[in-house]
Amino acid sequence: QTVVTQEPSFSVSPGGTVTLTCGLSSGSVSTSYYPSWYQQTPGQAPRTLIYSTNTRSSGVPDRFSGSILGNKAALTITGAQADDESDYYCVLYMGSGILVFGGGTKLTVL
Amino acid sequence: QVQLQESGPGLVKPSETLSLTCAVSGYSISSGYYWGWIRQPPGKGLEWIGSIYHSGSTYYNPSLKSRVTISVDTSKNQFSLKLSSVTAADTAVYYCARRGSSRLYYFDYWGQGTLVTVSS
Repeated sequence: QTVVTQEPSFSVSPGGTVTLTCGLSSGSVSTSYYPSWYQQTPGQAPRTLIYSTNTRSSGVPDRFSGSILGNKAALTITGAQADDESDYYCVLYMGSGILVFGGGTKLTVL
Repeated sequence: QVQLQESGPGLVKPSETLSLTCAVSGYSISSGYYWGWIRQPPGKGLEWIGSIYHSGSTYYNPSLKSRVTISVDTSKNQFSLKLSSVTAADTAVYYCARRGSSRLYYFDYWGQGTLVTVSS
């Protein structure tokens, strides 16, 4: 079974820019996988950030952007803020109605 | 505003069936969209369990397919999850969520989640 890969952890300085990626254990991610991104803080339900590769969900600031970089989906946060410190998950559509979550990236802002 | 609320037993015995319901308000399930279940074991990542269309078509995680049933009750505007033969590995926070229609393969509204512990 194909595994969706994410960096386990990442750190960024306040005001800095960070790019988190979402790949496949076998193959390349393209827009046909309709990548989406979610932010989750401890004890809370996930919050939708990006869908269909690069469309921001309602109310999401434009500091968050999605793209395809090389063979992976990417979430870029520009001007990182303290409250961006969260877990970030990507989801890929594998066809036949099947969705797969990545393992998540724990982002630290320090 | 679309709202989802999970409900069900917080404790289930090993080998028994876990049953949860997701009540939807602010939107009629029969109007469309897909409706799904996602879980998160304590301290671990999210896992998609499955989704159902308002018409009743279902899609399941292949790794759970043999034990999962998702159903919809449009008259009550709710959908349900049943997971059979549970073990401690099924202990998790279970979320229900709305998935986009057609080619919108993402979850836009989430419930707050409910913790289900599998223990004797």
